[in-house]
Amino acid sequence: EDQVTQSPEALRLQEGESSSLNCSYTVSGLRGLFWYRQDPGKGPEFLFTLYSAGEEKEKERLKATLTKKESFLHITAPKPEDSATYLCAVRARTGGGNKLTFGTGTQLKVEL
Amino acid sequence: DAGITQSPRHKVTETGTPVTLRCHQTENHRYMYWYRQDPGHGLRLIHYSYGVKDTDKGEVSDGYSVSRSKTEDFLLTLESATSSQTSVYFCAIRQDGDNYGYTFGSGTRLTVV
Repeated sequence: EDQVTQSPEALRLQEGESSSLNCSYTVSGLRGLFWYRQDPGKGPEFLFTLYSAGEEKEKERLKATLTKKESFLHITAPKPEDSATYLCAVRARTGGGNKLTFGTGTQLKVEL
Repeated sequence: DAGITQSPRHKVTETGTPVTLRCHQTENHRYMYWYRQDPGHGLRLIHYSYGVKDTDKGEVSDGYSVSRSKTEDFLLTLESATSSQTSVYFCAIRQDGDNYGYTFGSGTRLTVV
């Protein structure tokens, strides 16, 4: 069974205080690890896809990295508008349907 | 952006009544999904579809059924609503190509009283 565990559950940062969110996973052959951002009352919004260990993707203040067991979402000099819940998901090579298995998310709050 | 619309956005219903949620897409994507999101559980797959009249179960399918008679519409039915089905329901489509995973709708908040 595919599993995704995210930590911490919640994180409070001061503006400009860099940090990292963790996503550890077990999957029967990784066919993609996905990061999403979710704002209150809205659906998740796609951020990144990573496919192989060592791969990195960047977007503004966010950088996602991938190893064989976990992924990190690094947030550099965050701003209040980065406050959201960040979700990690995996897609396995086995099983049909292109299904994603999600973690429970990290709720990030960035304060002035 | 993929056009994906969920209706209704909010609904309150009584225990034991049937409820149907609708997901509509405008871009003819093959794969569509229904997830529910609950505190402490994250997003969990209920059912998915890989074409017209082609559907399969997810991890939390008990008490739910789906139908897809047209490419653009994917319906989720709670056959006899229970309080444990109070949740936020998200529909998603799989964009073409591997890169994007899913695009989600805005969700339906369902309360069963």
